[in-house]
Amino acid sequence: GQNIDQPTEMTATEGAIVQINCTYQTSGFNGLFWYQQHAGEAPTFLSYNVLDGLEEKGRFSSFLSRSKGYSYLLLKELQMKDSASYLCAVVDSNYQLIWGAGTKLIIKP
Amino acid sequence: DAGVIQSPRHEVTEMGQEVTLRCKPISGHNSLFWYRQTMMRGLELLIYFNNNVPIDDSGMPEDRFSAKMPNASFSTLKIQPSEPRDSAVYFCASTPKDAGSPGDEQFFGPGTRLTVL
Repeated sequence: GQNIDQPTEMTATEGAIVQINCTYQTSGFNGLFWYQQHAGEAPTFLSYNVLDGLEEKGRFSSFLSRSKGYSYLLLKELQMKDSASYLCAVVDSNYQLIWGAGTKLIIKP
Repeated sequence: DAGVIQSPRHEVTEMGQEVTLRCKPISGHNSLFWYRQTMMRGLELLIYFNNNVPIDDSGMPEDRFSAKMPNASFSTLKIQPSEPRDSAVYFCASTPKDAGSPGDEQFFGPGTRLTVL
């Protein structure tokens, strides 16, 4: 079956760095997305990885290892507004998006 | 651009009633997706359309759910009859390319929060 695992909840301190992990087992792989979703709002696109390695975009970076079925989202210089859920989603061999349950990130002052 | 537009934003109805959710995708986008999100099950894809044609409706829970896309700028998701377990946030999303294009970002609407009493 198709499976995506993320921690349910994480807590970090303002100004610090946090890494949110995502492991996946899917029928094929055609890329991995990270989306951010603030409470009561819609998901918004953060990043897309299809090749191994690190993609950096400002304070956010996303890493992919296809051989390990593993990705992480790295958030630096955390701000209170980064409190949100972070959703990992994988594109399978049928080009369907398989969504993880999301990681709720709580930022404390 | 106005983004993806959904209506209503909130809907409260009684069990057994018909519910119709509406979506206007971003102009020029080729694909449209309907999702349901709950705390228990997370984000679930219900159905998606390419160029107004339904491609995959395997996520539609049962025959009580139906979706249409009569033209490129409008889609509806209908639940008839509604049940309390249908209570959720329903999102519509669109993409510029045909669904299945790798790396294609989905743009989500604000969602409709449905409560069935």
